[in-house]
Amino acid sequence: AQSVTQLGSHVSVSEGALVLLRCNYSSSVPPYLFWYVQYPNQGLQLLLKYTSAATLVKGINGFEAEFKKSETSFHLTKPSAHMSDAAEYFCAVNQGFKTIFGAGTRLFVKA
Amino acid sequence: GAGVSQSPSNKVTEKGKDVELRCDPISGHTALYWYRQSLGQGLEFLIYFQGNSAPDKSGLPSDRFSAERTGGSVSTLTIQRTQQEDSAVYLCASSLSQGADEKLFFGSGTQLSVL
Repeated sequence: AQSVTQLGSHVSVSEGALVLLRCNYSSSVPPYLFWYVQYPNQGLQLLLKYTSAATLVKGINGFEAEFKKSETSFHLTKPSAHMSDAAEYFCAVNQGFKTIFGAGTRLFVKA
Repeated sequence: GAGVSQSPSNKVTEKGKDVELRCDPISGHTALYWYRQSLGQGLEFLIYFQGNSAPDKSGLPSDRFSAERTGGSVSTLTIQRTQQEDSAVYLCASSLSQGADEKLFFGSGTQLSVL
């Protein structure tokens, strides 16, 4: 069965610093991987998805993620954090027709 | 509608009462999902609908939980004899089809508090 593990329930960065949110997956077949973001008091929305077309995936708001099969990772990065990036981020993998989510990482951005 | 709509946005109930949570998916979306989000525990899959049928009910925590979908559109999640551990945010999502690479569109959720 597919699963994802997010390392770090909380990450704090300074405005303008690099954002790195870690996600490792477990899958017996080539996975479809996703990052979703949940802003305060809002529903989740898709940031980006990996479907094997390219290992480096660019998403909305300047985020990108790189699929590394050798490391079974799909870490999310952004070169320069903005205050508006403060939110909870979820890595997810599709298991058949079902999307399985990680526990989430809350990102804090300090001024 | 333009997005996934859930009602009510907040529900406070007493232990032992039944509650119904409603989800109105994006028009034309055939797949509908219910998740539960508890504090610090991520999203827990509850049930999935393709059209009106529910091929996967594996995530329902107990027989107190049930869900139905009518007309391939609106879905209702019912929790009978609520317990305090049922307190959580219940999220509904829909997708255009059941493809493995389909993205989910989420509603804003129903915050359920069981006193």
